[in-house]
Amino acid sequence: AQTVTQSQPEMSVQEAETVTLSCTYDTSESDYYLFWYKQPPSRQMILVIRQEAYKQQNATENRFSVNFQKAAKSFSLKISDSQLGDAAMYFCAYSTNRDDKIIFGKGTRLHILP
Amino acid sequence: GAVVSQHPSWVICKSGTSVKIECRSLDFQATTMFWYRQFPKQSLMLMATSNEGSKATYEQGVEKDKFLINHASLTLSTLTVTSAHPEDSSFYICSASGRTGNFETQYFGPGTRLLVL
Repeated sequence: AQTVTQSQPEMSVQEAETVTLSCTYDTSESDYYLFWYKQPPSRQMILVIRQEAYKQQNATENRFSVNFQKAAKSFSLKISDSQLGDAAMYFCAYSTNRDDKIIFGKGTRLHILP
Repeated sequence: GAVVSQHPSWVICKSGTSVKIECRSLDFQATTMFWYRQFPKQSLMLMATSNEGSKATYEQGVEKDKFLINHASLTLSTLTVTSAHPEDSSFYICSASGRTGNFETQYFGPGTRLLVL
């Protein structure tokens, strides 16, 4: 069975600094997708970034980038120049082409210190 | 971008009553919708996959007679919590699969907070 593990329940970072959130996953599939979702206090799920497993190049979206290590089954999220609006719960997630089901990790609560 | 709505956004009901939650894809057609449940300070747990025109597929441990799902059109799925009890109090989130470019992407609704007294 596929699993997603986030080992950091909470993290804090100073505003304007860089922070990295960790995620590991387990799967026997060769074709899959990885995601980072943000859930602010409004509880609306927001897609931050996605990575296709067949792509070696790490995905980037403005201040957000990932470090995808396929062999190690690791998928960390780096947030550069942290802003107060980045404070939220961040979920690492996994999906395959087979059924589009998304499996979420337990989440990391990110605090931004002014 | 694609928008998914949920109605109601919050509901309070008495124990033993049934509650219906609607999930709509507003500007795209979704053959597949998903229902999640989120307890406070926890992650999203997939309850069921809803396919238009067919029976929903429930995850292990989810009572299909308790959580009735209907996906009658390409833009609407409903979740009915039957004979609700306090332990059913939770945050329910739906998502709908839509195509963005070459990819299927899941778009999430804003969630429905259910409180059963």
